[in-house]
Amino acid sequence: EVRLVESGGMLVQPGGSLRLSCAASGFTFATYPLSWVRQAPGRGLEWVSSTSASGSSTYYAESVKGRFTISRDNSRSTLFLQMNSLRAEDTAIYYCAHPMGGILGYFDFWGQGTLVSVSS
Amino acid sequence: DIQMTQSPSILSASVGDRVTITCRASQSINTWLAWYQQTPGKAPKLLIYKASSLEGGVPSRFSGSGSGTEFTLTINSLQPDDFATYYCQQYSDYCTFGQGTKVE
Repeated sequence: EVRLVESGGMLVQPGGSLRLSCAASGFTFATYPLSWVRQAPGRGLEWVSSTSASGSSTYYAESVKGRFTISRDNSRSTLFLQMNSLRAEDTAIYYCAHPMGGILGYFDFWGQGTLVSVSS
Repeated sequence: DIQMTQSPSILSASVGDRVTITCRASQSINTWLAWYQQTPGKAPKLLIYKASSLEGGVPSRFSGSGSGTEFTLTINSLQPDDFATYYCQQYSDYCTFGQGTKVE
Protein backbone atom coordinates (compact mmCIF):
# COMPACT_ATOMS: atom_id res chain seq x y z
CA GLU A 1 0.00 0.00 0.00
CA VAL A 2 1.33 3.41 -0.98
CA ARG A 3 1.71 5.74 2.00
CA LEU A 4 2.86 9.34 2.17
CA VAL A 5 3.15 10.75 5.69
CA GLU A 6 3.96 14.44 6.15
CA SER A 7 5.40 15.97 9.30
CA GLY A 8 7.07 19.13 10.54
CA GLY A 9 4.19 21.56 10.37
CA MET A 10 3.92 23.98 13.27
CA LEU A 11 3.35 27.61 14.28
CA VAL A 12 6.19 29.85 13.14
CA GLN A 13 6.70 33.61 13.16
CA PRO A 14 6.76 35.67 9.97
CA GLY A 15 10.26 35.65 8.52
CA GLY A 16 11.01 32.31 10.11
CA SER A 17 12.00 28.99 8.60
CA LEU A 18 10.59 25.49 8.68
CA ARG A 19 11.42 22.15 7.09
CA LEU A 20 8.65 19.74 6.19
CA SER A 21 9.22 16.03 5.64
CA CYS A 22 7.24 13.41 3.74
CA ALA A 23 8.04 9.78 4.54
CA ALA A 24 7.06 7.37 1.79
CA SER A 25 6.44 3.64 1.75
CA GLY A 26 4.81 1.02 -0.42
CA PHE A 27 6.56 1.92 -3.68
CA THR A 28 10.06 2.30 -5.11
CA PHE A 29 10.66 5.84 -3.90
CA ALA A 30 13.75 6.54 -6.01
CA THR A 31 11.88 6.00 -9.28
CA TYR A 32 9.01 8.45 -8.67
CA PRO A 33 8.79 12.23 -8.97
CA LEU A 34 7.07 13.94 -6.05
CA SER A 35 5.38 17.24 -5.31
CA TRP A 36 4.10 19.56 -2.62
CA VAL A 37 0.60 21.04 -2.89
CA ARG A 38 -0.86 23.38 -0.28
CA GLN A 39 -4.29 24.53 0.80
CA ALA A 40 -4.86 27.68 2.83
CA PRO A 41 -7.64 27.41 5.45
CA GLY A 42 -11.02 27.40 3.73
CA ARG A 43 -9.38 27.97 0.33
CA GLY A 44 -8.52 26.00 -2.79
CA LEU A 45 -5.50 23.95 -3.78
CA GLU A 46 -2.21 25.47 -4.91
CA TRP A 47 0.69 23.55 -6.42
CA VAL A 48 3.94 24.55 -4.67
CA SER A 49 6.85 22.52 -6.01
CA SER A 50 7.86 19.30 -7.76
CA THR A 51 11.04 17.28 -8.08
CA SER A 52 12.16 14.56 -10.42
CA ALA A 53 12.91 11.04 -9.19
CA SER A 54 16.62 11.76 -8.89
CA GLY A 55 16.11 15.24 -7.46
CA SER A 56 18.15 16.79 -10.26
CA SER A 57 15.17 18.70 -11.68
CA THR A 58 13.02 20.95 -9.52
CA TYR A 59 10.11 23.29 -10.23
CA TYR A 60 8.46 25.99 -8.13
CA ALA A 61 5.37 28.15 -8.13
CA GLU A 62 6.17 31.84 -8.54
CA SER A 63 4.71 32.52 -5.08
CA VAL A 64 7.47 30.49 -3.37
CA LYS A 65 10.38 30.72 -5.81
CA GLY A 66 13.54 31.85 -4.06
CA ARG A 67 12.12 31.11 -0.60
CA PHE A 68 11.30 27.38 -0.69
CA THR A 69 13.57 24.48 -1.66
CA ILE A 70 12.38 20.98 -2.48
CA SER A 71 14.78 18.08 -1.98
CA ARG A 72 14.75 14.36 -1.38
CA ASP A 73 16.79 11.63 0.25
CA ASN A 74 16.20 8.51 -1.81
CA SER A 75 18.17 6.37 0.67
CA ARG A 76 15.62 7.29 3.36
CA SER A 77 12.55 7.45 1.08
CA THR A 78 11.88 10.96 2.31
CA LEU A 79 10.88 14.18 0.57
CA PHE A 80 11.60 17.59 2.10
CA LEU A 81 10.43 21.16 1.72
CA GLN A 82 12.68 23.81 3.23
CA MET A 83 10.66 26.98 3.73
CA ASN A 84 12.45 30.26 4.46
CA SER A 85 11.26 33.86 4.84
CA LEU A 86 7.80 32.61 5.72
CA ARG A 87 4.82 34.93 5.30
CA ALA A 88 1.31 34.91 6.67
CA GLU A 89 0.04 33.87 3.24
CA ASP A 90 2.10 30.66 3.49
CA THR A 91 -0.28 29.45 6.20
CA ALA A 92 -1.79 26.24 4.83
CA ILE A 93 -2.00 22.51 4.99
CA TYR A 94 0.91 21.16 2.99
CA TYR A 95 0.33 17.89 1.14
CA CYS A 96 2.94 15.59 -0.32
CA ALA A 97 1.63 14.09 -3.55
CA HIS A 98 2.74 11.83 -6.37
CA PRO A 99 2.42 13.26 -9.88
CA MET A 100 1.47 10.88 -12.67
CA GLY A 101 2.16 11.46 -16.33
CA GLY A 102 5.35 13.39 -15.65
CA ILE A 103 6.97 15.58 -13.01
CA LEU A 104 4.22 18.16 -13.51
CA GLY A 105 1.29 15.82 -13.94
CA TYR A 106 -1.91 14.99 -12.12
CA PHE A 107 -1.78 13.65 -8.57
CA ASP A 108 -2.89 10.10 -7.88
CA PHE A 109 -1.60 9.67 -4.31
CA TRP A 110 -1.69 12.22 -1.51
CA GLY A 111 -0.54 12.28 2.08
CA GLN A 112 -2.81 13.44 4.88
CA GLY A 113 -1.12 16.84 5.11
CA THR A 114 0.70 18.85 7.76
CA LEU A 115 -0.44 22.29 8.96
CA VAL A 116 1.89 25.26 8.79
CA SER A 117 0.75 28.42 10.57
CA VAL A 118 2.68 31.65 10.11
CA SER A 119 1.72 34.21 12.70
CA SER A 120 3.24 36.46 15.34
CA ASP B 1 0.19 31.30 -16.35
CA ILE B 2 -2.87 29.26 -17.25
CA GLN B 3 -5.90 30.23 -15.18
CA MET B 4 -8.65 27.71 -14.41
CA THR B 5 -12.18 28.92 -13.69
CA GLN B 6 -14.86 26.62 -12.31
CA SER B 7 -18.60 27.23 -12.30
CA PRO B 8 -20.67 27.28 -10.31
CA SER B 9 -18.83 27.92 -7.03
CA ILE B 10 -21.66 26.34 -5.07
CA LEU B 11 -24.19 23.86 -6.41
CA SER B 12 -27.28 22.77 -4.50
CA ALA B 13 -28.46 19.29 -5.39
CA SER B 14 -30.32 16.29 -4.06
CA VAL B 15 -29.60 12.58 -3.95
CA GLY B 16 -30.38 11.10 -7.35
CA ASP B 17 -29.74 14.33 -9.27
CA ARG B 18 -27.49 14.58 -12.31
CA VAL B 19 -24.85 17.21 -11.59
CA THR B 20 -22.57 19.04 -14.03
CA ILE B 21 -19.57 21.18 -13.11
CA THR B 22 -17.74 23.27 -15.70
CA CYS B 23 -14.05 24.16 -15.81
CA ARG B 24 -12.63 26.67 -18.28
CA ALA B 25 -8.95 27.20 -19.06
CA SER B 26 -7.53 30.59 -20.05
CA GLN B 27 -5.79 28.93 -22.98
CA SER B 28 -5.88 25.55 -24.66
CA ILE B 29 -4.68 22.66 -22.53
CA ASN B 30 -5.59 19.89 -24.98
CA THR B 31 -6.95 17.19 -22.63
CA TRP B 32 -4.39 17.68 -19.85
CA LEU B 33 -7.03 18.03 -17.16
CA ALA B 34 -7.81 16.18 -13.95
CA TRP B 35 -10.72 16.28 -11.51
CA TYR B 36 -10.55 15.74 -7.76
CA GLN B 37 -13.06 15.28 -4.95
CA GLN B 38 -12.33 16.60 -1.46
CA THR B 39 -14.33 16.13 1.71
CA PRO B 40 -13.67 18.19 4.87
CA GLY B 41 -10.49 17.24 6.70
CA LYS B 42 -9.33 14.87 3.97
CA ALA B 43 -6.81 15.03 1.16
CA PRO B 44 -8.13 15.38 -2.38
CA LYS B 45 -8.99 12.18 -4.23
CA LEU B 46 -8.32 11.77 -7.95
CA LEU B 47 -11.45 11.03 -9.99
CA ILE B 48 -10.63 11.73 -13.63
CA TYR B 49 -7.41 12.31 -15.57
CA LYS B 50 -6.71 13.25 -19.19
CA ALA B 51 -10.13 14.92 -19.21
CA SER B 52 -12.17 11.72 -19.48
CA SER B 53 -10.22 8.76 -18.09
CA LEU B 54 -11.75 7.34 -14.92
CA GLU B 55 -9.26 6.56 -12.14
CA GLY B 56 -9.35 2.98 -10.90
CA GLY B 57 -11.88 2.38 -8.15
CA VAL B 58 -13.92 5.50 -8.92
CA PRO B 59 -17.64 4.79 -9.48
CA SER B 60 -18.84 4.91 -13.07
CA ARG B 61 -21.42 7.57 -12.23
CA PHE B 62 -18.52 10.03 -12.50
CA SER B 63 -17.54 11.08 -16.02
CA GLY B 64 -15.49 13.82 -17.61
CA SER B 65 -15.50 15.40 -21.04
CA GLY B 66 -14.04 18.27 -23.01
CA SER B 67 -10.87 19.42 -24.69
CA GLY B 68 -9.09 22.66 -25.43
CA THR B 69 -10.48 25.21 -22.99
CA GLU B 70 -13.83 23.84 -21.80
CA PHE B 71 -14.38 20.78 -19.66
CA THR B 72 -17.17 19.22 -17.63
CA LEU B 73 -17.44 16.80 -14.74
CA THR B 74 -20.76 14.98 -14.58
CA ILE B 75 -22.08 12.96 -11.67
CA ASN B 76 -25.03 10.78 -12.61
CA SER B 77 -27.43 9.94 -9.81
CA LEU B 78 -25.76 11.84 -6.98
CA GLN B 79 -25.10 9.71 -3.90
CA PRO B 80 -24.77 10.84 -0.25
CA ASP B 81 -20.96 10.36 -0.36
CA ASP B 82 -20.76 12.74 -3.34
CA PHE B 83 -21.53 15.87 -1.34
CA ALA B 84 -18.05 17.39 -1.40
CA THR B 85 -15.91 20.02 -3.08
CA TYR B 86 -14.62 19.31 -6.58
CA TYR B 87 -11.50 20.78 -8.18
CA CYS B 88 -10.20 20.73 -11.71
CA GLN B 89 -6.46 20.90 -12.41
CA GLN B 90 -4.55 21.56 -15.61
CA TYR B 91 -1.14 19.97 -16.15
CA SER B 92 -0.42 21.24 -19.63
CA ASP B 93 1.88 23.99 -18.37
CA TYR B 94 3.00 23.51 -14.77
CA CYS B 95 -0.04 22.89 -12.53
CA THR B 96 -3.00 25.09 -11.78
CA PHE B 97 -6.17 24.24 -9.91
CA GLY B 98 -9.62 25.73 -10.27
CA GLN B 99 -11.09 27.50 -7.25
CA GLY B 100 -13.43 24.61 -6.44
CA THR B 101 -17.13 23.78 -6.65
CA LYS B 102 -18.95 22.82 -3.48
CA VAL B 103 -21.83 20.39 -4.02
CA GLU B 104 -24.23 20.75 -1.12
